[in-house]
Amino acid sequence: SQQGEEDPQALSIQEGENATMNCSYKTSINNLQWYRQNSGRGLVHLILIRSNEREKHSGRLRVTLDTSKKSSSLLITASRAADTASYFCATDVGRDDKIIFGKGTRLHILP
Amino acid sequence: DAMVIQNPRYQVTQFGKPVTLSCSQTLNHNVMYWYQQKSSQAPKLLFHYYDKDFNNEADTPDNFQSRRPNTSFCFLDIRSPGLGDAAMYLCATSPARDEQFFGPGTRLTVL
Repeated sequence: SQQGEEDPQALSIQEGENATMNCSYKTSINNLQWYRQNSGRGLVHLILIRSNEREKHSGRLRVTLDTSKKSSSLLITASRAADTASYFCATDVGRDDKIIFGKGTRLHILP
Repeated sequence: DAMVIQNPRYQVTQFGKPVTLSCSQTLNHNVMYWYQQKSSQAPKLLFHYYDKDFNNEADTPDNFQSRRPNTSFCFLDIRSPGLGDAAMYLCATSPARDEQFFGPGTRLTVL
């Protein structure tokens, strides 16, 4: 079952530009996480935002969470070629630590 | 270094021949997860453990079983692999209500 839906499914931008990805989900969450996955590799945790938080920063990453709209956004500023990857949101739902991934956004940074 | 280890990294099996994938962790996390990821798709949760408590996803085929003999180890057994089971299998751990730490994955090929 899919909980999160990322938007857009694919995004191509010029190096140096900012990239914004959105995630919408269906049920109440304990927290929401963003992960990066390079082609054929494992997932790398980027940032976790809890349900009582509205915004979080980590380096060039900025995550917002709007629980009333059941949505989150990931902003990557000053993009680099190394940011080319798939980005997934994952939601922690219920009381049993179940974590469900969204479909992901494929980000391509053009030189 | 503390980490999540998956063995083997690549597994080739024949149609219908049982296969076992293993995951071990040195992080002493309570929660362990198994995901299936097919090409260009999101990781799909198969099941997860909170300590010894097993949580099976409703749409996980009966063909897939799991064992967690102790905190450090978790196994995924595919009793009769079909061609549709060819995928990357990802193991992850978490201290609960927190980020997941992923292993590098096992890529399963079914001939």
